[in-house]
Amino acid sequence: QVQLKESGPGLVQPSQTLSLTCTVSGFSLMDYSVHWVRQPPGKGLEWMGRMKYDGDTYYNSALKSRLSISRDTSKSQVFLKMNSLQTEDTAIYYCTRAEWGQGVMVTVSS
Amino acid sequence: DVVMTQTPVSLSVAIGQPASISCKSSQSLVHSDGKTYLNWLLQRPGQSPKRLIYLVSKLDSGIPDRFSGSGSETDFTLKISRVEADDLGVYYCLQGTHFPNTFGAGTKLELK
Repeated sequence: QVQLKESGPGLVQPSQTLSLTCTVSGFSLMDYSVHWVRQPPGKGLEWMGRMKYDGDTYYNSALKSRLSISRDTSKSQVFLKMNSLQTEDTAIYYCTRAEWGQGVMVTVSS
Repeated sequence: DVVMTQTPVSLSVAIGQPASISCKSSQSLVHSDGKTYLNWLLQRPGQSPKRLIYLVSKLDSGIPDRFSGSGSETDFTLKISRVEADDLGVYYCLQGTHFPNTFGAGTKLELK
């Protein structure tokens, strides 16, 4: 059974760095790509970036200067790091393959 | 970036009636590998999105055949033959052909 689960801090201060982890089960990160998507409260979905099965990454150009995606295949984990957070980065952050995780709500506030 | 234009923004449908949602892309979604990476997702209230359809018309496992997808190049449609109460929520199209992948703005399906 394929599962993805996001974890990370619920509250981040402005200008700080967000670190999230996506832990997957039921498949190998060396066989499937995993994407990160976010959704501000009450708004639509924004694609952030992708960790490809071969380790290649691609980022949304709007976030590229602040965003980094990496992985640890031995732990079945994909990581998202985004720096210089602002209040407009407040959102639910999802990791997804075809299936979606439950999401983690991140609030940027002092 | 590829712009995905979804219409209508909202849709009010009675149970048992059909529904149709359009998604138009600003450029062709045919990939160099010949496939068209167009997905449809449903986000029920308070839930994560769920993929319903991939590659334009292929239903995900467990998705009832009341749902169907069609289209090509830049013009795509999601149809529900008979709306049920469980179908309520926001529908999104998502293109995975070009980077960055992009979503439509969503169509809210409500009960009439």
